[in-house]
Amino acid sequence: KAGVTQTPRYLIKTRGQQVTLSCSPISGHRSVSWYQQTPGQGLQFLFEYFSETQRNKGNFPGRFSGRQFSNSRSEMNVSTLELGDSALYLCASSSFSGSNQETQYFGPGTRLLVL
Amino acid sequence: GQNIDQPTEMTATEGAIVQINCTYQTSGFNGLFWYQQHAGEAPTFLSYNVLDGLEEKGRFSSFLSRSKGYSYLLLKELQMKDSASYLCAVRDYRGTDSWGKLQFGAGTQVVVTP
Repeated sequence: KAGVTQTPRYLIKTRGQQVTLSCSPISGHRSVSWYQQTPGQGLQFLFEYFSETQRNKGNFPGRFSGRQFSNSRSEMNVSTLELGDSALYLCASSSFSGSNQETQYFGPGTRLLVL
Repeated sequence: GQNIDQPTEMTATEGAIVQINCTYQTSGFNGLFWYQQHAGEAPTFLSYNVLDGLEEKGRFSSFLSRSKGYSYLLLKELQMKDSASYLCAVRDYRGTDSWGKLQFGAGTQVVVTP
């Protein structure tokens, strides 16, 4: 089974631009979450999508948005980029079994540098 | 408030055992995760505990006490490749149409020395 995939892996943008990141979850996983990781703030939750609907949102400004498609693939968009948006953006997909076991796997991440 | 605490750094010798503690105070609880993260890489799933007790997976074991808001990750027979950051995370909620979010601790940097 293929793992979580994210594209692109690396991205350089300038302030004011916008960016779209893509994530394909593990086949059969319906929940997709996005996280931002920076050295200063650690791993911070951005949002969660389940069955094409945003179910939860973290404490990020409206410049951060996302969506999920019917095949569970997800995209996140950041508009009007700021220097502080430079980070590793991680996508994770989860499954939960009837034996009370959850697994959540992260993709390799997209490393975004804003100049 | 939400709080997940773990030590910043631990050092141990190759072949030894190290125990990484994690305490949490969260608004809800629906499972605790441990992840390993090497520098420059994404976190790798290690374990998930939702019921009290010990879960063992090879050299790694994870323990949970919900009443104490406490978990630990035990790494046995340490190898040089175990040098990494170990992240504790709590899922605050899971429903039929939402899986809440993971709240992460800041991570514990484990340094394995020869």
